[in-house]
Amino acid sequence: KQEVTQIPAALSVPEGENLVLNCSFTDSAIYNLQWFRQDPGKGLTSLLLIQSSQREQTSGRLNASLDKSSGRSTLYIAASQPGDSATYLCAVLIAQKLVFGQGTRLTINP
Amino acid sequence: SQTIHQWPATLVQPVGSPLSLECTVEGTSNPNLYWYRQAAGRGLQLLFYSVGIGQISSEVPQNLSASRPQDRQFILSSKKLLLSDSGFYLCAWTPGLSGETQYFGPGTRLLVL
Repeated sequence: KQEVTQIPAALSVPEGENLVLNCSFTDSAIYNLQWFRQDPGKGLTSLLLIQSSQREQTSGRLNASLDKSSGRSTLYIAASQPGDSATYLCAVLIAQKLVFGQGTRLTINP
Repeated sequence: SQTIHQWPATLVQPVGSPLSLECTVEGTSNPNLYWYRQAAGRGLQLLFYSVGIGQISSEVPQNLSASRPQDRQFILSSKKLLLSDSGFYLCAWTPGLSGETQYFGPGTRLLVL
């Protein structure tokens, strides 16, 4: 059974810092890996999708990497801003179903 | 462009009462549809998914059921709610092709008292 773990569960950093969120999964037979953002009381917004054949994807200040062989992904956020405060979820697609981690709650302090 | 709607946004129901949550998608056809539950302090749990009208797959045994009466409509139901059914319910869709991202609705917050 696929399990997805995100570390840390919560992170608080001052504005302007670069930071890394971690995601690990137990079964490397994934189709893709996705990072989502969730604001309190809201639905999920897709940030980045990495196909299993890819190593990384970039969008603005966000960069996500994927190492399938080790079962790891990282989300790098450059020059963090207070507006980046949210919960970040990673999920792996396997058999047309997404398996989610429990998320990292990120707080950027002005 | 595609849009996904969920209603109601918030619901407070007594234990033992029935439930019906609705999700509709606009601007696409034959989507894959998903129901998730997010309980306090826990991750998203896939409850049901559907690849077509009348085709429902259940992921976990529970007090809930799902139906897809139309191509772009997905309904989550219960005959008798339990306290443990409280949570944030999210509907999502994907274009039906493997490898596509899932697009989530705004969610319904359900509190069972």
